[in-house]
Amino acid sequence: QQQVKQSPQSLIVQKGGISIINCAYENTAFDYFPWYQQFPGKGPALLIAIRPDVSEKKEGRFTISFNKSAKQFSLHIMDSQPGDSATYFCAAYNFNKFYFGSGTKLNVKP
Amino acid sequence: GAVVSQHPSRVICKSGTSVKIECRSLDFQATTMFWYRQFPKQSLMLMATSNEGSKATYEQGVEKDKFLINHASLTLSTLTVTSAHPEDSSFYICSAQRPGLAGGFSYEQYFGPGTRLTVT
Repeated sequence: QQQVKQSPQSLIVQKGGISIINCAYENTAFDYFPWYQQFPGKGPALLIAIRPDVSEKKEGRFTISFNKSAKQFSLHIMDSQPGDSATYFCAAYNFNKFYFGSGTKLNVKP
Repeated sequence: GAVVSQHPSRVICKSGTSVKIECRSLDFQATTMFWYRQFPKQSLMLMATSNEGSKATYEQGVEKDKFLINHASLTLSTLTVTSAHPEDSSFYICSAQRPGLAGGFSYEQYFGPGTRLTVT
């Protein structure tokens, strides 16, 4: 049973556009929701994270929106750039364990 | 920033041999280290969680006798794939959880660059 469901599987966005990736979870005990960016052949890198007591967090062009009642959270990448082309994973944390979404491959067209 | 290294980055070994992968947190003492396995175009699969000085906690379905984890210090964890077989070929990634302020709890997890294991 997948604890964190991520969509879409792949995403194509024009340069300058907004990329939106969504995740949903069931376990209300999750208390930390990070997003990771992974380039081919590399380990994931922490991008931005949020706690459930906050509805939105922004760092530069990256924003997490968190809807506790809907048990959903999303990553928004503003002014998307070709360098943002990578695979993005959402995750949720509970009891010393991270649960990952299935990943979204983002392709930003120049 | 928090830096986690892995060594080697790539390894090719023959079937039946053992391979050791090292994971080091370079600029912090990790409270917990995690080992993941990632198949091509797939998500990360947690294999085990380890804390310094104690036995690793393995996920269901992961053979502890095949994937030996030793967390020797607060900055070093090793994964040994014993009697490797071609089906063990994969991308292995470690991560380290950095302590918070004054050594308290922090959620932040930092990944190593990964090790590509190919068993022939």
